[in-house]
Amino acid sequence: NAGVMQNPRHLVRRRGQEARLRCSPMKGHSHVYWYRQLPEEGLKFMVYLQKENIIDESGMPKERFSAEFPKEGPSILRIQQVVRGDSAAYFCASSRDSQNYGYTFGSGTRLTVV
Amino acid sequence: GESVGLHLPTLSVQEGDNSIINCAYSNSASDYFIWYKQESGKGPQFIIDIRSNMDKRQGQRVTVLLNKTVKHLSLQIAATQPGDSAVYFCAENPTGNTPLVFGKGTRLSVIA
Repeated sequence: NAGVMQNPRHLVRRRGQEARLRCSPMKGHSHVYWYRQLPEEGLKFMVYLQKENIIDESGMPKERFSAEFPKEGPSILRIQQVVRGDSAAYFCASSRDSQNYGYTFGSGTRLTVV
Repeated sequence: GESVGLHLPTLSVQEGDNSIINCAYSNSASDYFIWYKQESGKGPQFIIDIRSNMDKRQGQRVTVLLNKTVKHLSLQIAATQPGDSAVYFCAENPTGNTPLVFGKGTRLSVIA
């Protein structure tokens, strides 16, 4: 019974490249949330998705960032033309329903932009 | 801005002592609160939750207290162990179908 799976665990990108972060929710969970965490800081909400739908993207920058959760396959957080300020840990969480009870987090992807 | 904040960014306790981690929230409409534990290099792990119709909930060695009058949440850890060393976050559910809002976290260091 795997939990939330994120890959890669570590990702290094040069400035200007694209970063793709993947998240497979827990079995039976159809709601996915992406959060960003800077060192020594809390988790900042980015985007909330259900299958094939973006429910809330209020925390995601309008430019360069996009997210999807297709009918088949993992949720993808995509960052285009990365800059040093994008370096952070990106966590994905999933839940069974929309009432936010019992988020389960993945181990995160640590993005380093050089 | 953030509606959840913590009073103490760091807390050092002796092994075996009790720990108390505090959290203030600003949204009086929040109806659900969770404490998470995050160990170095790992994702947040659910510890305990409480709904707004309760003022206390106990788990194994942990207790969460909710004071809605002053919008304050605390996590008590009994007989703190080295394995409890981590960063602890409180999170609130503002309303229904909105994502959890997290506080900045408190680092708990257990001194053996």
